[in-house]
Amino acid sequence: AQTVTQSQPEMSVQEAETVTLSCTYDTSESDYYLFWYKQPPSRQMILVIRQEAYKQQNATENRFSVNFQKAAKSFSLKISDSQLGDAAMYFCAYRSRARNQGGKLIFGQGTELSVKP
Amino acid sequence: DGGITQSPKYLFRKEGQNVTLSCEQNLNHDAMYWYRQDPGQGLRLIYYSQIVNDFQKGDIAEGYSVSREKKESFPLTVTSAQKNPTAFYLCASSPPGVLTGSMGYTFGSGTRLTVV
Repeated sequence: AQTVTQSQPEMSVQEAETVTLSCTYDTSESDYYLFWYKQPPSRQMILVIRQEAYKQQNATENRFSVNFQKAAKSFSLKISDSQLGDAAMYFCAYRSRARNQGGKLIFGQGTELSVKP
Repeated sequence: DGGITQSPKYLFRKEGQNVTLSCEQNLNHDAMYWYRQDPGQGLRLIYYSQIVNDFQKGDIAEGYSVSREKKESFPLTVTSAQKNPTAFYLCASSPPGVLTGSMGYTFGSGTRLTVV
């Protein structure tokens, strides 16, 4: 079974600075997707960024980028020029491409990010 | 606009009662999912359904039941057998197929269930 681990329950960053959230996962599969979701105080889940395992190039979405290390099974999220609105719970998630897995998302425990003005 | 609607936003349950959480989507998605969120534990999968009239247990299905009679609806019943039901419940949906798997989920806004 696949697992996702976020070892940082809480992180803090100064406004306009850069912060990196860590995520590791365990799988025997070679083809899968990885995601970072943001959950602000409203508790609405928002997709931040996604990565397809067969792509070597790291995904980037504006101020958000990932460092995908497939061999190390690591998928960290870097937030540049942090803004007050980035304060939220961040979840790393894994999704198998195998048809018999039902498209399930497997989540890590989450990292609570606070942004200091 | 298309999306997922969860209701109610807050729900209170007395000991021994069954309660049903509603989840409706108009995205024409085949797959739907129920997750439970507790502090420090992330989201854990309760049940999921890939097509109408079919569903599978997730990691923490005990004390819960679901039905999928219509493509648009995937209600979750929290039964009296669920000993610790106080939690935040999230419903999600996803288009089918390997090609669309990278799109992730569309989530509802959640239901907060409290046992009183």
